[in-house]
Amino acid sequence: GQQVMQIPQYQHVQEGEDFTTYCNSSTTLSNIQWYKQRPGGHPVFLIQLVKSGEVKKQKRLTFQFGEAKKNSSLHITATQTTDVGTYFCAGQRPGGSTLGRLYFGRGTQLTVWP
Amino acid sequence: NAGVTQTPKFQVLKTGQSMTLQCAQDMNHNSMYWYRQDPGMGLRLIYYSASEGTTDKGEVPNGYNVSRLNKREFSLRLESAAPSQTSVYFCASRPGRDRGYTEAFFGQGTRLTVV
Repeated sequence: GQQVMQIPQYQHVQEGEDFTTYCNSSTTLSNIQWYKQRPGGHPVFLIQLVKSGEVKKQKRLTFQFGEAKKNSSLHITATQTTDVGTYFCAGQRPGGSTLGRLYFGRGTQLTVWP
Repeated sequence: NAGVTQTPKFQVLKTGQSMTLQCAQDMNHNSMYWYRQDPGMGLRLIYYSASEGTTDKGEVPNGYNVSRLNKREFSLRLESAAPSQTSVYFCASRPGRDRGYTEAFFGQGTRLTVV
């Protein structure tokens, strides 16, 4: 079954509006990563969060990792047309036989109209 | 550096035909992965190889086989293609156990259609 849930599946915003996508894992994660995939392209790594409660910023993008290390969010302030694409979270479990696997959410497809 | 290279980029197969998707990385990574991407389903792991000489099943391994030919190359084989295998296939690599499980680097993808 789906190990990492991501919502919403789709988001349409007007340029300048904010955008947030959320991920929730059924189990505690060792870290969580975020990727962006432009239409017709391949996923590209954005960031990795490791610590409980961690918050990281990249210009207009803010990434958070929950205190329990089970949930995460990506917030984009004042979206631009260049933000269009699908955003994926990917969680990694601590140790064990699944070490090395990334559990991807289904992604949030962001559309921005001018 | 080329990163992760996949061939071919596009392929059309008839039901029942076989083919091998090739993947090579030049970053000296230990871990390599094959994913398929279908609309609304995200990236689903088919097989992965944590290190040279090992392979493990992912979420959707049925109908596929893999070979970790050497540290650089990880191939995916469809023995008897079915329309349900129409998808976009991505190969990815990560440094791996001794260098940390950090970011994954993806290839450009193979767009496969089975008719």
